[in-house]
Amino acid sequence: QKEVEQDPGPLSVPEGAIVSLNCTYSNSAFQYFMWYRQYSRKGPELLMYTYSSGNKEDGRFTAQVDKSSKYISLFIRDSQPSDSATYLCAMSDRGSTLGRLYFGRGTQLTVWP
Amino acid sequence: ETGVTQTPRHLVMGMTNKKSLKCEQHLGHNAMYWYKQSAKKPLELMFVYNFKEQTENNSVPSRFSPECPNSSHLFLHLHTLQPEDSALYLCASSQDTAGLSYEQYFGPGTRLTVT
Repeated sequence: QKEVEQDPGPLSVPEGAIVSLNCTYSNSAFQYFMWYRQYSRKGPELLMYTYSSGNKEDGRFTAQVDKSSKYISLFIRDSQPSDSATYLCAMSDRGSTLGRLYFGRGTQLTVWP
Repeated sequence: ETGVTQTPRHLVMGMTNKKSLKCEQHLGHNAMYWYKQSAKKPLELMFVYNFKEQTENNSVPSRFSPECPNSSHLFLHLHTLQPEDSALYLCASSQDTAGLSYEQYFGPGTRLTVT
Protein backbone atom coordinates (compact mmCIF):
# COMPACT_ATOMS: atom_id res chain seq x y z
CA GLN A 1 0.00 0.00 0.00
CA LYS A 2 1.37 3.38 -1.03
CA GLU A 3 2.00 5.91 1.72
CA VAL A 4 0.05 8.66 -0.05
CA GLU A 5 -2.67 8.18 -2.66
CA GLN A 6 -3.69 10.95 -5.03
CA ASP A 7 -5.82 10.73 -8.15
CA PRO A 8 -3.66 12.06 -11.01
CA GLY A 9 -6.67 13.30 -13.00
CA PRO A 10 -6.59 15.13 -15.31
CA LEU A 11 -9.26 17.43 -13.95
CA SER A 12 -10.76 20.06 -16.25
CA VAL A 13 -13.16 22.75 -14.98
CA PRO A 14 -14.59 26.04 -16.26
CA GLU A 15 -13.41 29.34 -14.87
CA GLY A 16 -15.21 30.23 -11.65
CA ALA A 17 -15.80 26.63 -10.58
CA ILE A 18 -15.00 25.31 -7.14
CA VAL A 19 -12.23 22.73 -7.35
CA SER A 20 -11.73 19.95 -4.84
CA LEU A 21 -8.43 18.07 -4.74
CA ASN A 22 -7.89 15.18 -2.36
CA CYS A 23 -5.32 12.79 -0.94
CA THR A 24 -5.54 9.83 1.36
CA TYR A 25 -2.75 8.36 3.40
CA SER A 26 -2.02 5.32 5.50
CA ASN A 27 0.59 6.48 8.03
CA SER A 28 -1.11 7.77 11.20
CA ALA A 29 2.18 9.40 12.26
CA PHE A 30 1.83 12.12 9.64
CA GLN A 31 1.37 15.48 11.34
CA TYR A 32 2.35 18.08 8.73
CA PHE A 33 0.32 18.32 5.56
CA MET A 34 1.26 20.40 2.57
CA TRP A 35 0.03 21.30 -0.87
CA TYR A 36 2.52 22.19 -3.57
CA ARG A 37 1.65 23.69 -6.94
CA GLN A 38 3.77 22.89 -9.99
CA TYR A 39 3.40 24.84 -13.20
CA SER A 40 4.58 23.33 -16.45
CA ARG A 41 8.40 23.41 -16.77
CA LYS A 42 8.78 24.65 -13.20
CA GLY A 43 9.58 23.09 -9.85
CA PRO A 44 6.91 22.67 -7.18
CA GLU A 45 6.19 25.65 -4.93
CA LEU A 46 4.66 25.45 -1.48
CA LEU A 47 1.08 26.64 -1.59
CA MET A 48 -0.25 25.84 1.87
CA TYR A 49 0.56 23.78 4.91
CA THR A 50 -1.39 22.70 7.94
CA TYR A 51 -0.35 21.05 11.16
CA SER A 52 -2.51 18.24 12.50
CA SER A 53 -6.26 18.43 11.89
CA GLY A 54 -8.43 21.35 10.93
CA ASN A 55 -8.90 23.94 8.24
CA LYS A 56 -6.70 26.68 6.93
CA GLU A 57 -7.77 29.40 4.53
CA ASP A 58 -5.63 31.63 2.36
CA GLY A 59 -7.53 33.76 -0.12
CA ARG A 60 -9.31 31.47 -2.57
CA PHE A 61 -7.58 28.38 -1.18
CA THR A 62 -8.73 26.26 1.75
CA ALA A 63 -6.85 23.25 3.07
CA GLN A 64 -8.62 20.68 5.21
CA VAL A 65 -7.20 17.79 7.19
CA ASP A 66 -9.26 14.96 8.64
CA LYS A 67 -6.84 12.78 10.54
CA SER A 68 -9.54 10.38 11.70
CA SER A 69 -10.22 9.50 8.06
CA LYS A 70 -6.61 10.01 6.92
CA TYR A 71 -7.88 12.37 4.26
CA ILE A 72 -6.79 15.83 3.19
CA SER A 73 -8.35 18.24 0.74
CA LEU A 74 -7.56 21.45 -1.07
CA PHE A 75 -10.44 23.61 -2.25
CA ILE A 76 -10.02 26.36 -4.79
CA ARG A 77 -12.88 28.86 -4.99
CA ASP A 78 -13.56 30.99 -8.06
CA SER A 79 -10.94 29.07 -10.02
CA GLN A 80 -8.93 30.99 -12.62
CA PRO A 81 -7.05 29.86 -15.74
CA SER A 82 -3.87 30.82 -13.86
CA ASP A 83 -4.66 28.01 -11.40
CA SER A 84 -3.98 25.49 -14.15
CA ALA A 85 -1.11 23.41 -12.80
CA THR A 86 -0.34 20.11 -11.13
CA TYR A 87 -1.15 20.04 -7.43
CA LEU A 88 0.93 17.78 -5.21
CA CYS A 89 0.01 16.82 -1.69
CA ALA A 90 2.87 16.06 0.69
CA MET A 91 3.13 14.90 4.28
CA SER A 92 5.67 14.58 7.02
CA ASP A 93 5.63 12.60 10.23
CA ARG A 94 6.01 14.06 13.66
CA GLY A 95 9.56 14.38 14.82
CA SER A 96 11.08 13.69 11.42
CA THR A 97 14.67 14.81 11.42
CA LEU A 98 15.52 13.79 7.90
CA GLY A 99 13.47 16.31 5.97
CA ARG A 100 11.56 13.49 4.34
CA LEU A 101 8.33 14.46 2.68
CA TYR A 102 5.97 11.87 1.28
CA PHE A 103 4.37 13.07 -1.92
CA GLY A 104 1.27 12.05 -3.84
CA ARG A 105 1.45 11.60 -7.62
CA GLY A 106 -0.07 15.02 -8.23
CA THR A 107 -3.39 16.01 -9.83
CA GLN A 108 -3.24 17.86 -13.13
CA LEU A 109 -5.79 20.69 -13.16
CA THR A 110 -6.89 22.73 -16.17
CA VAL A 111 -9.20 25.72 -15.73
CA TRP A 112 -10.60 26.85 -19.05
CA PRO A 113 -11.94 30.36 -19.69
CA GLU B 1 19.92 35.06 -8.95
CA THR B 2 17.25 34.24 -6.44
CA GLY B 3 15.80 31.06 -4.99
CA VAL B 4 17.09 27.75 -6.26
CA THR B 5 18.74 27.48 -9.66
CA GLN B 6 19.61 24.37 -11.63
CA THR B 7 21.78 23.82 -14.67
CA PRO B 8 21.47 22.55 -17.27
CA ARG B 9 17.71 22.75 -17.79
CA HIS B 10 17.79 20.00 -20.40
CA LEU B 11 20.30 17.20 -20.90
CA VAL B 12 20.46 14.36 -23.40
CA MET B 13 23.13 11.78 -22.77
CA GLY B 14 24.09 8.35 -23.97
CA MET B 15 24.36 5.43 -21.61
CA THR B 16 28.15 5.58 -21.62
CA ASN B 17 28.46 9.31 -20.96
CA LYS B 18 29.39 11.07 -17.76
CA LYS B 19 27.65 14.30 -16.90
CA SER B 20 26.88 16.42 -13.85
CA LEU B 21 23.84 18.35 -12.72
CA LYS B 22 24.37 21.49 -10.69
CA CYS B 23 22.13 23.13 -8.11
CA GLU B 24 22.67 26.38 -6.25
CA GLN B 25 20.48 27.92 -3.59
CA HIS B 26 20.54 31.62 -2.70
CA LEU B 27 18.30 31.36 0.37
CA GLY B 28 20.84 30.80 3.13
CA HIS B 29 19.48 27.33 3.81
CA ASN B 30 21.40 24.47 5.37
CA ALA B 31 19.69 21.46 3.84
CA MET B 32 19.59 20.41 0.20
CA TYR B 33 17.82 17.57 -1.57
CA TRP B 34 17.79 15.71 -4.85
CA TYR B 35 14.47 14.33 -6.11
CA LYS B 36 13.53 12.33 -9.18
CA GLN B 37 10.17 13.09 -10.80
CA SER B 38 8.82 10.60 -13.33
CA ALA B 39 5.50 10.83 -15.14
CA LYS B 40 2.53 9.68 -13.06
CA LYS B 41 4.73 8.77 -10.09
CA PRO B 42 5.27 10.56 -6.78
CA LEU B 43 8.41 12.56 -6.25
CA GLU B 44 11.17 10.19 -5.21
CA LEU B 45 13.64 11.45 -2.64
CA MET B 46 17.16 10.49 -3.65
CA PHE B 47 19.61 12.27 -1.33
CA VAL B 48 19.53 14.65 1.60
CA TYR B 49 22.36 16.85 2.81
CA ASN B 50 22.25 18.81 6.04
CA PHE B 51 25.12 21.19 6.76
CA LYS B 52 27.09 19.52 3.91
CA GLU B 53 26.73 16.08 5.45
CA GLN B 54 24.75 13.41 3.65
CA THR B 55 21.98 12.29 5.96
CA GLU B 56 20.02 10.10 3.59
CA ASN B 57 20.68 7.94 0.59
CA ASN B 58 17.35 6.48 -0.39
CA SER B 59 18.72 3.26 -1.93
CA VAL B 60 19.84 5.10 -5.03
CA PRO B 61 21.96 3.16 -7.56
CA SER B 62 25.65 3.98 -7.49
CA ARG B 63 25.50 5.39 -11.03
CA PHE B 64 24.15 8.50 -9.28
CA SER B 65 26.80 10.17 -7.14
CA PRO B 66 25.99 13.32 -5.15
CA GLU B 67 28.42 15.95 -4.01
CA CYS B 68 27.81 18.85 -1.63
CA PRO B 69 30.90 21.06 -1.29
CA ASN B 70 29.08 23.67 0.79
CA SER B 71 25.57 24.48 1.97
CA SER B 72 24.80 26.48 -1.17
CA HIS B 73 25.86 24.03 -3.86
CA LEU B 74 24.80 20.51 -4.72
CA PHE B 75 25.87 18.34 -7.62
CA LEU B 76 24.61 15.07 -9.02
CA HIS B 77 27.22 13.19 -11.02
CA LEU B 78 25.83 10.77 -13.56
CA HIS B 79 27.56 7.85 -15.28
CA THR B 80 26.48 4.77 -17.22
CA LEU B 81 22.82 5.64 -16.87
CA GLN B 82 19.93 3.54 -18.11
CA PRO B 83 16.99 4.69 -20.26
CA GLU B 84 14.68 4.30 -17.23
CA ASP B 85 16.69 7.05 -15.53
CA SER B 86 15.14 9.57 -17.92
CA ALA B 87 13.13 11.94 -15.72
CA LEU B 88 12.98 15.43 -14.28
CA TYR B 89 15.60 15.85 -11.56
CA LEU B 90 14.66 18.42 -8.98
CA CYS B 91 16.85 20.08 -6.41
CA ALA B 92 15.34 21.59 -3.28
CA SER B 93 16.53 23.35 -0.16
CA SER B 94 15.14 24.04 3.28
CA GLN B 95 16.26 25.80 6.42
CA ASP B 96 17.41 22.47 7.83
CA THR B 97 16.10 18.93 8.04
CA ALA B 98 14.03 19.36 11.19
CA GLY B 99 11.26 21.65 12.23
CA LEU B 100 10.64 23.75 9.14
CA SER B 101 11.79 21.04 6.75
CA TYR B 102 8.29 20.85 5.29
CA GLU B 103 8.97 24.20 3.65
CA GLN B 104 11.17 23.06 0.82
CA TYR B 105 12.00 25.36 -2.05
CA PHE B 106 12.47 23.70 -5.41
CA GLY B 107 14.49 24.61 -8.45
CA PRO B 108 13.02 24.34 -11.97
CA GLY B 109 14.59 20.94 -12.55
CA THR B 110 16.81 19.33 -15.18
CA ARG B 111 14.96 17.32 -17.80
CA LEU B 112 17.23 14.33 -18.43
CA THR B 113 16.88 12.02 -21.40
CA VAL B 114 19.07 8.92 -21.60
CA THR B 115 19.40 7.47 -25.08
